[in-house]
Amino acid sequence: GAVVSQHPSWVICKSGTSVKIECRSLDFQATTMFWYRQFPKQSLMLMATSNEGSKATYEQGVEKDKFLINHASLTLSTLTVTSAHPEDSSFYICSALRDSSYEQYFGPGTRLTVT
Amino acid sequence: AQSVTQLDSQVPVFEEAPVELRCNYSSSVSVYLFWYVQYPNQGLQLLLKYLSGSTLVKGINGFEAEFNKSQTSFHLRKPSVHISDTAEYFCAVSDRGGFQKLVFGTGTRLLVSP
Repeated sequence: GAVVSQHPSWVICKSGTSVKIECRSLDFQATTMFWYRQFPKQSLMLMATSNEGSKATYEQGVEKDKFLINHASLTLSTLTVTSAHPEDSSFYICSALRDSSYEQYFGPGTRLTVT
Repeated sequence: AQSVTQLDSQVPVFEEAPVELRCNYSSSVSVYLFWYVQYPNQGLQLLLKYLSGSTLVKGINGFEAEFNKSQTSFHLRKPSVHISDTAEYFCAVSDRGGFQKLVFGTGTRLLVSP
């Protein structure tokens, strides 16, 4: 089956620092990856669409300078939370759209806590 | 634009009883429909999907869903639930073009008790 990994699974950082989260499709190519944010007991909110070799497309209300996305290869996308603040604490989930099908495969998520 | 409504935030049920989790959607274009399950502190796992063809879709773990275009619904059902089915269930929709952006419902917490 298709597997998507995220690293790290959880991270604690101090306010003002930056954190990078990696999303990898382990056994398939994904031209398109997505980044979601999930607050406790709530649904997933799409933050941005990451396209290999081009700039990410951000959803309305998402600060692109704060949430930097880089999709450097067909198997790797990264989300960098810059100058993190406590309100950025959340569960971040990525998904990869398999090039050969219309199906997204989700990573296990990254729990970010900003102190 | 699409939207998804899951009216039931929580559904309690006894083990081995049947269950139905409701999902209604709104869209001006043809869509794909999905059900995902999320266990605590984990990502989402696809249960089943409707792309085209038969309106009754069977998925993993004994779940099935029926696409009803006139009712704009895609309700999830299981004839007999297990304790291990306790989880959060999300209905999602995407349009048939573009980059397959998923729009999720607010989720339904299925609580199975002995």
